[in-house]
Amino acid sequence: DVKVTQSSRYLVKRTGEKVFLECVQDMDHENMFWYRQDPGLGLRLIYFSYDVKMKEKGDIPEGYSVSREKKERFSLILESASTNQTSMYLCASSLQGRARTLQPQHFGDGTRLSIL
Amino acid sequence: GNSVTQMEGPVTLSEEAFLTINCTYTATGYPSLFWYVQYPGEGLQLLLKATKADDKGSNKGFEATYRKETTSFHLEKGSVQVSDSAVYFCALRKSSASKIIFGSGTRLSIRP
Repeated sequence: DVKVTQSSRYLVKRTGEKVFLECVQDMDHENMFWYRQDPGLGLRLIYFSYDVKMKEKGDIPEGYSVSREKKERFSLILESASTNQTSMYLCASSLQGRARTLQPQHFGDGTRLSIL
Repeated sequence: GNSVTQMEGPVTLSEEAFLTINCTYTATGYPSLFWYVQYPGEGLQLLLKATKADDKGSNKGFEATYRKETTSFHLEKGSVQVSDSAVYFCALRKSSASKIIFGSGTRLSIRP
């Protein structure tokens, strides 16, 4: 079974702090993703990466950055945390897959981040 | 553009009732289609998938059939249980992209 591990289930930080959320997957997946999930807004893609050192902006990248130095690890960075970044953050990974055998994403358990 | 539309929740049913959660999609080509489930306090888990037209995905008593003619992938279960209470997400992945596009989710509550 694929295992996607997020470093913290719950995290409390203060406004203005630099915050790191870590995600590790153990199945040699090329693609990794960061989402935030908010009531009434569903899942929104922040950033994704399809290879080491590669990254692409998702739908809501403002206020965030990412780092992918190793294939198995994808970090989300809040440069200067603000209260509107209080949310559930979900990491996911997937194989590239070939056409018509497209693979699903596998998710971690999420990090509930509170910015005070 | 590509999109997924699923029925608004919350959906509340009694135990052993029949469940349908509607999902329709907009995409060109041959996307793969997925249903994910999110239990309270957890991340999303893949429930079932279908990769081509007329495929039926099934798992844990849930089923969904990839209908290209109606661009739909409705989730069904013949007899729901209290333990099925969760949020369900319909999603698609296009052949040429890594991203998955999610619907907005449908919250399901099952009464004993």
